[in-house]
Order: sequence, then structure tokens, then C-alpha cells
Amino acid sequence: GQQLNQSPQSMFIQEGEDVSMNCTSSSIFNTWLWYKQDPGEGPVLLIALYKAGELTSNGRLTAQFGITRKDSFLNISASIPSDVGIYFCAGLIWGRNEKLTFGTGTRLTIIP
Amino acid sequence: SQTIHQWPATLVQPVGSPLSLECTVEGTSNPNLYWYRQAAGRGLQLLFYSVGIGQISSEVPQNLSASRPQDRQFILSSKKLLLSDSGFYLCGLGTNEKLFFGSGTQLSVL
Repeated sequence: GQQLNQSPQSMFIQEGEDVSMNCTSSSIFNTWLWYKQDPGEGPVLLIALYKAGELTSNGRLTAQFGITRKDSFLNISASIPSDVGIYFCAGLIWGRNEKLTFGTGTRLTIIP
Repeated sequence: SQTIHQWPATLVQPVGSPLSLECTVEGTSNPNLYWYRQAAGRGLQLLFYSVGIGQISSEVPQNLSASRPQDRQFILSSKKLLLSDSGFYLCGLGTNEKLFFGSGTQLSVL
């Protein structure tokens, strides 16, 4: 089955730094989604991408749907303390409802 | 807008006891509903999904079952809990190729 490799697994950054993370797949997806999860909470949808090459922003967050349809990237600019959490990518193939394949997550920690 | 209600937030149950977790949604009709489990520090595993009343698809063999008695209600159950059933359970609402999650139930089986 499909697998999503998400990297890095964890990041330790200082407040104000920019963050980049990515997901790669062994096969094509039609939709890419990015989520953020705080401890003890459900994941919150940040950005949804529907077309290869698409670049979408949500405040300080920017995500891109890779041209090959096998990867996606999330960037966070000028990180702030509330950005701490675990970020998950997820891929979807059309015709399968919303049965997503999830990445393993990137844990973001901000060093004071 | 859609709302997902999931309860309880935390649950501690002894091994061998039954389980019933409930999820209800508002602001939508005939939604696709999902149950996911997340082990500590890990990714999300799809357990069940439902495209309508009484329609349940199981993704992995396990000790749990799901039911959808009403359009906006999705229930996760077990007759006898195992230690390995511990985890964070999330109800999902799917719409237009997006999946939204409830606040989750942290289940500890002791």
C-alpha cells in the first residue's frame, strides 16, 4: 500500500525562524492536506491542496502540491510559540471518499 | 458550519470491560464518518468508516466494532477491552475531500 514519508521527524528551532517540512509518497495522490495537532487534541486542518503545482497560503503557512503529485511541502514563516505541535501531511486518492493516508508527523519545538 | 461532538474526553477502563464511544455531528447531512486511532507519539490509523446509516467498513481486523444507527451518529464499541486497545480515538467527518476531526477520546485500558 501507499506510504507517506514525512521529514524531518522533529525540529528544534528558535522563535522567529522559518520552518520547512515535506512529505513524499511512493505513488500519486490527487489531494494533499496538512494538519496541526496540539497535545490531547484532534488534528486541525491547516491547508488543502487539489492541483499539481498549487501553492496555497494560510497566514504564515504556505504549502505546495508537488508537480509529480508524489510530494508536498509546508513552510512556516517567522515561527511563534503557538506553532509548537505535531504537523501531519495526508494524501487522498479520488474515489476513495476521505480515506486519507497520513504521514508519520513532524514534531516542532521552539527553543526559548 | 459543521461541528463534531465526541465524548468522553478521557476514559479509564479495566481489561475485559465493554466500551462505547459516541460521535455526533451537526451542520451536515449524509456525512462520511470515520474512526481513527492514534498510538502515543504516532500517526493515525483508520479503523472504520461509514458512508451512510448501517453502512460500516472495517479497515483493520481488531477487537472493536462500529455502528451508525443514525445519519449523524457514529459509535465505536467493544465487548471486552484489551490492553492493546489503549490509545487516542478520533472521530472524523469527511466532506468534499477534506477530513475534519473531533477533539478525541484518550482511552487507557488497565
